[in-house]
This record gives sequence, C-alpha cells and structure tokens, in this order.
Amino acid sequence: GAVVSQHPSWVICKSGTSVKIECRSLDFQATTMFWYRQFPKQSLMLMATSNEGSKATYEQGVEKDKFLINHASLTLSTLTVTSAHPEDSSFYICSARFLGGFSGDTQYFGPGTRLTVL
Amino acid sequence: AQTVTQSQPEMSVQEAETVTLSCTYDTSESNYYLFWYKQPPSRQMILVIRQEAYKQQNATENRFSVNFQKAAKSFSLKISDSQLGDTAMYFCAFMSFFYGGSQGNLIFGKGTKLSVKP
Repeated sequence: GAVVSQHPSWVICKSGTSVKIECRSLDFQATTMFWYRQFPKQSLMLMATSNEGSKATYEQGVEKDKFLINHASLTLSTLTVTSAHPEDSSFYICSARFLGGFSGDTQYFGPGTRLTVL
Repeated sequence: AQTVTQSQPEMSVQEAETVTLSCTYDTSESNYYLFWYKQPPSRQMILVIRQEAYKQQNATENRFSVNFQKAAKSFSLKISDSQLGDTAMYFCAFMSFFYGGSQGNLIFGKGTKLSVKP
C-alpha cells in the first residue's frame, strides 16, 4: 500500500511553454501533498505544501506565479511550471502525507519527473 | 527551527558486511518522527525505516535497524548483511508530531552516498 504515482516521468519542452506534472496517491487519501525540487547530487528542496481545497503554501524564494499548484481532490495534486526557462530544468518530486494505520504520519514519494527546458 | 545533519557524505562497504550511517538533529520539541529514506539511482525515494520519538524501542525492519538516542539527538541507521541493491543515497529526515499541528513537512539532511562493493 501507500503508492504515489507521478506523471510524466520525463518531459522535454521549449522555452516559454508551460508544463503540468500530476501527482496521485493511488491507494490512500492525502489531504496534504508536497512538491520538491532536487538538483544533481543534492538533497530535496521543499517548494510548496499543497492542501486539498485550499491555496498552496510556498517556501521562501519559490515564485508562486511560476509554479502553480492545484490540489483539487484528496488523491490528486498538480504542479504547473509556467513559461518554463532552461533554469527550471530539474528533477521534481511529489510526496503525499499518509495519516493513520500502523505507519502513522508518513510521507510517501512519487517516482519523480525530469524536466528539461530547451 | 529544526535541523538535520549527516556528517558522512560518502561511505562504502563490502557486500555482506555491516555499515552504520550517522544522523544528528536539533529540535526543541519532545514528540516527533524520524525517518531514513533511500534514493537509488532510479531516484525513487523509498522509506526505509521510521521511528517515533516517544517510543524507547529502536525500530527495526529486516536488515535495517536504528540506534535512536533521544537525549543525544542521534539517529543512526545500521544496515546488516549489505547487498548490492543497498547502493543508494540515504537521507535522514525529521517531522514534527501531527498533534502539535504539524503540516507534516520533512526536514532532510544532505544525504550519505553508500556504495556496496562486491
């Protein structure tokens, strides 16, 4: 159990276009999902916290107008990178918060999306 | 603010041997969770083990066990009978306790790259 999917796994786009990344909790409901960015050989950097039915909370330094987050249901959160530029190229990872059961309060991660902006 | 420190950027171990990865953290909270996640070359973040701070018993999960020293704020991971598939980045992470109003966000260390050699 506690599986999180992420789509697409890899996307290449032209500079100036927008890209949408989907994150789904497949076998549990997640009131909170998280979006991370990871540069090569570095740790995960939290970009924003997404709560179902409310506006996302962005970390300091993350442009909310560039990285649009929508958490429309208890199993789906989306990250849209608007007007993407080469410096937005990175590995983006989502996670979903699982509450309850034997595992208690835990985050489970999607497989990540590699974004390349040309 | 909480911080997590992993002082070993890289480690290596021979197959079938035992290795211990170090993690220290800083917090003023009394109830919290600690995690070890592994990130193999596929970059999928995988939960290895989870510890609740109010539990004195160290968590174990098959070949993985932790040495949780609450007073010293230390949370090391021991991998027994190391296997080639254990080669990965290992991240130590801290989460505040849910009933304290936590959003459930993880504070990560910088990671330890573990190589298991045949």
